[in-house]
Amino acid sequence: NAGVTQTPKFQVLKTGQSMTLQCAQDMNHEYMSWYRQDPGMGLRLIHYSVGAGITDQGEVPNGYNVSRSTTEDFPLRLLSAAPSQTSVYFCASRPTGATNTGELFFGEGSRLTVL
Amino acid sequence: DAKTTQPPSMDCAEGRAANLPCNHSTISGNEYVYWYRQIHSQGPQYIIHGLKNNETNEMASLIITEDRKSSTLILPHATLRDTAVYYCIVRSNAGNNRKLIWGLGTSLAVNP
Repeated sequence: NAGVTQTPKFQVLKTGQSMTLQCAQDMNHEYMSWYRQDPGMGLRLIHYSVGAGITDQGEVPNGYNVSRSTTEDFPLRLLSAAPSQTSVYFCASRPTGATNTGELFFGEGSRLTVL
Repeated sequence: DAKTTQPPSMDCAEGRAANLPCNHSTISGNEYVYWYRQIHSQGPQYIIHGLKNNETNEMASLIITEDRKSSTLILPHATLRDTAVYYCIVRSNAGNNRKLIWGLGTSLAVNP
């Protein structure tokens, strides 16, 4: 198992550009989520999904879109990047239902800089 | 979900036990205590969790006070590779919207 895979690991954007951060997991987890981590702040939830076709907003959803067309993939889209979106982004997944212990499995992160 | 309070930093000598405290005085009866750690620039890694009873696994032990208002994560024989930020989180397992509130954690430095 590769676990949770995020691409790209590093990205530099100019203000106003768009891009998609990719997240894929091979553990058949129903729940997937995106967090951002900024200096001096804890991880903050952006969006999450409890299964294909179902997404919901987290604590800081503005400026980000998500979709969940398959169980494996949960891309995060920045439609018009802003310097305030400079951050490290983490994707995390876990099972739901009877196999859920609450443990989240994280990717290695994507470091985004918006100039 | 309840909030937690942790010391911002701690030091520990290599080979000694590292005891990381966490206060969660507003924890509800159905909320679990989770511990994660984040080694520099990597994704957080799950360590252990518990509800009422003390728990132990291959990585650590979790001691929860009887009133459940605080807990301690114990790394029995800390190594240099245990240098990381440790997060204590409480969350409810009720429903599907199980969002965690992440604080700043404790930065543990294991010294040779």
